[in-house]
Amino acid sequence: QVQLVESGGGVVQPGRSLRLSCAGSGFTFSTYVMHWVRQAPGKGLEWVAVISYDGIHKYYGDSVKGRFTISRDNSKNTLFLQMNSLRPDDTAVYYCMSVHSDNDYWGQGTLVTVSS
Amino acid sequence: HSALTQPASVSASPGQSITISCAGTSSDVGAYNYVSWYQQHPGKAPKLLIYEVTNRPSGVSNRFSASKSGDTASLTISGLQAEDEADYYCRSYTTSSTYVFGTGTRVTVL
Repeated sequence: QVQLVESGGGVVQPGRSLRLSCAGSGFTFSTYVMHWVRQAPGKGLEWVAVISYDGIHKYYGDSVKGRFTISRDNSKNTLFLQMNSLRPDDTAVYYCMSVHSDNDYWGQGTLVTVSS
Repeated sequence: HSALTQPASVSASPGQSITISCAGTSSDVGAYNYVSWYQQHPGKAPKLLIYEVTNRPSGVSNRFSASKSGDTASLTISGLQAEDEADYYCRSYTTSSTYVFGTGTRVTVL
């Protein structure tokens, strides 16, 4: 079955960097578009970024553009989110999501806390 | 793209029907038939209910239905049940090749 497992979350100081990973299994990772979505504590869902199946096309939400970079390593079935210049309002659970023709699959999320 | 506008909360008794609106613009909801709806229970990842405006993934109850008119999409839950109490979000593709979620709606079963 499709499984997505995020990792790399934790507590980080404002201005620092963090790299999230999302390991996919149970499907042909290299043929699917992948997203990052986040949810601040007690708040709604916010779309963060998307990457094409081949890693060529990448798009970002306005709040992270220029600070975050989405990438993927299809040889390792892994999605990444490099987060730089982190701010307190980046504090959230970060989910990776795989979009298939007739369903979405989500990981369990990884919590990122930006605090001094 | 600003978040799509949803009512903050909707409540109804078991067995009744409710409709949640998702108001966007001609640059997102109105531009394409790429509107999805998600259900999220506390502490859980979102679950896809509807994709491409009206389509249900396999395994999703037919009590959930959706539509779109112009720049506004809608999700209807028929025969409301206790387990439908959750947060609901719409999501749309945009003309900038990005995506945007709705503000979210808390559904309460009285």
